[in-house]
Amino acid sequence: LAKTTQPISMDSYEGQEVNITCSHNNIATNDYITWYQQFPSQGPRFIIQGYKTKVTNEVASLFIPADRKSSTLSLPRVSLSDTAVYYCLVGDGAGGSYIPTFGRGTSLIVHP
Amino acid sequence: KAGVTQTPRYLIKTRGQQVTLSCSPISGHRSVSWYQQTPGQGLQFLFEYFSETQRNKGNFPGRFSGRQFSNSRSEMNVSTLELGDSALYLCASSLTGGFSYEQYFGPGTRLTVT
Repeated sequence: LAKTTQPISMDSYEGQEVNITCSHNNIATNDYITWYQQFPSQGPRFIIQGYKTKVTNEVASLFIPADRKSSTLSLPRVSLSDTAVYYCLVGDGAGGSYIPTFGRGTSLIVHP
Repeated sequence: KAGVTQTPRYLIKTRGQQVTLSCSPISGHRSVSWYQQTPGQGLQFLFEYFSETQRNKGNFPGRFSGRQFSNSRSEMNVSTLELGDSALYLCASSLTGGFSYEQYFGPGTRLTVT
C-alpha cells in the first residue's frame, strides 16, 4: 500500500505563509495527490488536487516535483480560521484496486 | 446543492450488536466511499461503491459490509460490534470516483461501542 508521511504538527502566526510537505515514495503512475482540511467534529474538506508541477486555486498552492515522491501544500497568509488538521491523500492502485491512503495528518495551529 | 448527509449523527451500541449507518450523497454523484476515523489509526478507507457495485475495498474484516441503492444512497453495516469499532464513520461522495476525484465528505456518524 502507498504510504504517506507528514509532520504531526506545525505552528504559525497570522499572516505568514505555511508549507506542509507530504512524502509518498511509492506513488503510482495513475495516482493524484489530494489535500484535505478537517475541523473538529466535521468531515474533511477538499482543498486542492494535482498530478505534477504546480497547481493553484483561490485558497492554496500545491507543488509537486518531477519525481512525484513528495508534495507541498502552501497556504498563503494564514489566519486563525486555518487552524485545522491537513491531510495528504494519494491513491494506491496496487493489484488493480484503488485504495485511498490518507496520511496521519498535520495539525496546524495558527497563533495571533 | 445539498451536501452529503449521514444518519444518525450519534449512536451508542453494545458489544455483539450490529449497526447500520446511512449516507445520502450529493445529487448526481455516483460514487460513495466509507472511511473509519480513530485517534489511533487515523482515516482508513473501508470501501467504495459505484453504480450499486462495490468497486474497491480496504483492509477491514468481513464484519464490515455495505451496499448502494439505485439512487446512489449507501448504507454500511457492522455486525458483532467490538469495542475497537468505536469511531467516527465518514461517508464521501464524488462524481465518478477513481484515480482522480474530489470527494465531498459528510459530517460523520459517531459510533460508541460499550
